Amino acid sequence: EVQLVESGGGLVKPGGSLRLSCAASGFTFSRDSMNWVRQAPGKGLEWVASISSSSRHLYYADSVKGRFTLSRDNAQNSLFLQMNSLRVEDTAVYYCAKTRDGYLDGFDIWGHGTMVTVSS
Amino acid sequence: EIVLTQSPATLSVSPGERATLSCRASQSISSSLAWYQQKPGQAPRLLISGASTRATGIPARFSGSGSGTEFTLTISSLQSEDFAVYYCQQYHNWPPMYTFGQGTKLEIK
Repeated sequence: EVQLVESGGGLVKPGGSLRLSCAASGFTFSRDSMNWVRQAPGKGLEWVASISSSSRHLYYADSVKGRFTLSRDNAQNSLFLQMNSLRVEDTAVYYCAKTRDGYLDGFDIWGHGTMVTVSS
Repeated sequence: EIVLTQSPATLSVSPGERATLSCRASQSISSSLAWYQQKPGQAPRLLISGASTRATGIPARFSGSGSGTEFTLTISSLQSEDFAVYYCQQYHNWPPMYTFGQGTKLEIK
């Protein structure tokens, strides 16, 4: 079964850090670009970051640039998002998602999401 | 930044009828547009990529059209399971700066 499973969410104080993980199965993870997308409570979707299959190319939304770091371990079929200097406005469900084909395409596989709450 | 504007914000349609959702880009994005369906408490599901290509397993009642700045998602005969929020997404930029529309809520009339 093709699947992405996120973990690592939780409650953190402003200025704190969290590391999200995404475990992939059922497809050749090492071939595909991967992404994080977030959704604040009751709001729409916001792209956060993307990484190419080899980790050579990394891209971030301006809202998280300099605070979040995206990485992957193709041997472990895993994707990571290190989130530092967290702000209240980072509160959201965070989804990992696979790019359908190549570097630029829709996202055809999504995880169930992990909730991050930033609050004092 | 490319801005996507979806209309209407809410669309009320009866089961069995046709629904037409619109997405307008602030500049030309060729055919670099995807559509997603999201139900409450669930992750988004890819319906359409390349403006008009249905994703694997998506029923034929879903169709996408358009290019440049004007795009449409049509659901030909609404089923009960189609009532959800729909988002468009562009992936035209390099380097990638994906943006999503604000969503259209499709509700039962």
